[in-house]
Amino acid sequence: QSVLTQPPSPSGTPGQRVTISCSGSSSNIGSNTVNWYQQLPGTAPKLLIYSNNQRPSGVPDRFSGSKSGTSASLAISGLQSEDEADYYCAAWDNSLNGQVFGGGTKLTVL
Amino acid sequence: QLQLQESGPGLVKPSETLSLTCTVSGDSISSSSYYWGWIRQPPGKGLEWVASVHYIGTTFYNPPLKSRAAISLDTSKNQFSLKLSSITAADAAVYFCARCSGTVGIIARGAFDIWGQGTMVTVSS
Repeated sequence: QSVLTQPPSPSGTPGQRVTISCSGSSSNIGSNTVNWYQQLPGTAPKLLIYSNNQRPSGVPDRFSGSKSGTSASLAISGLQSEDEADYYCAAWDNSLNGQVFGGGTKLTVL
Repeated sequence: QLQLQESGPGLVKPSETLSLTCTVSGDSISSSSYYWGWIRQPPGKGLEWVASVHYIGTTFYNPPLKSRAAISLDTSKNQFSLKLSSITAADAAVYFCARCSGTVGIIARGAFDIWGQGTMVTVSS
């Protein structure tokens, strides 16, 4: 049971916009910034969004993040086949005094 | 270009201690700007943060693992390591090492921006 809750398996068609949610609590998302990671099959995770809505160099602007209260969202616009991956949200948790991850969301591009 | 490379035994017997090392190239682990951490992923499951360390010695551990885990730095080799004792089947996973970047003063709360490729650990007698 992950501290941060993500939906199981959304899907979308090429060109669509997809949103992945991440629900937490006042001790994690409500008090700290949220990061998002993309994990392509068989590879290491890659930082996709940091500090709620910042993109590292090289990440397309099709990816965007937002946070409101104790929830966060990752939006992917102009969906592409190469976006098919697992997506994880993460944040610091003040009660646990450590990093917590969401359970992951497997995005399928139809 | 910063690179991280994990190394480990691959196979560990139950009740033994797992020792993993992450070799960092392209940057110094003695930088005050980063924490260095371990994250694991059991087969077919999600990511689980294990521990993080700063070069001045500050450490953070995932509470369920704290009694069995020890993270440390070897600045002379530009490496950091993880030891996990009393291994069980539940510890079988791919273990990733990663660099954590964040806001000065609360760097440990930041994002893991550079990752190693991961090393698989199997637990079997």
